[in-house]
Amino acid sequence: NAGVTQTPKFQVLKTGQSMTLQCAQDMNHNSMYWYRQDPGMGLRLIYYSASEGTTDKGEVPNGYNVSRLNKREFSLRLESAAPSQTSVYFCASSGTGRDTIYFGEGSWLTVV
Amino acid sequence: AQSVTQPDIHITVSEGASLELRCNYSYGATPYLFWYVQSPGQGLQLLLKYFSGDTLVQGIKGFEAEFKRSQSSFNLRKPSVHWSDAAEYFCAVGGYSNYQLIWGAGTKLIIKP
Repeated sequence: NAGVTQTPKFQVLKTGQSMTLQCAQDMNHNSMYWYRQDPGMGLRLIYYSASEGTTDKGEVPNGYNVSRLNKREFSLRLESAAPSQTSVYFCASSGTGRDTIYFGEGSWLTVV
Repeated sequence: AQSVTQPDIHITVSEGASLELRCNYSYGATPYLFWYVQSPGQGLQLLLKYFSGDTLVQGIKGFEAEFKRSQSSFNLRKPSVHWSDAAEYFCAVGGYSNYQLIWGAGTKLIIKP
């Protein structure tokens, strides 16, 4: 019953460093998402992948890149981390773009 | 502009008391409406959703919500809260696809023993 698994759970980066957040789902879902959650702002969509082989920008894509490696995996990369990217990141998936979204447990990222 | 407002940042309720969490939205088309719950240190879980039909929607864990088009509201209710309901609750409004979801800022529910 893994569902959506994302790693790492916690990470501290220095400004300018790069890192990749990994995400995998075992529900055979077509659609996958990366969100960030900031206090008082709810969730904001960074990127999504409607199906294997496609990715699209969400509301706040600047400073991020994504890769839909295969149907299971969807990674989020910060090429040059900035303090403004300090946030909690959630990976999620759904069967299609209209089905219930299932979330991972989150990755806490601090950029100093 | 499309938006979702959850007016209460925090709500404190005694265990066993009733609960109502407010959600107001501004959306140009027929909205699809959702409530999610986030327990501490966890991801979000769907409580219930409204697409069409009966405006009173039943969800998991004894929650229900009522869609009131005239008031642009989708308030979440529970008759009697349990300590395990302490969490943050998010309302979301969207169109045809999940990629269009607009999320509220959340309401943190605190349960008094």
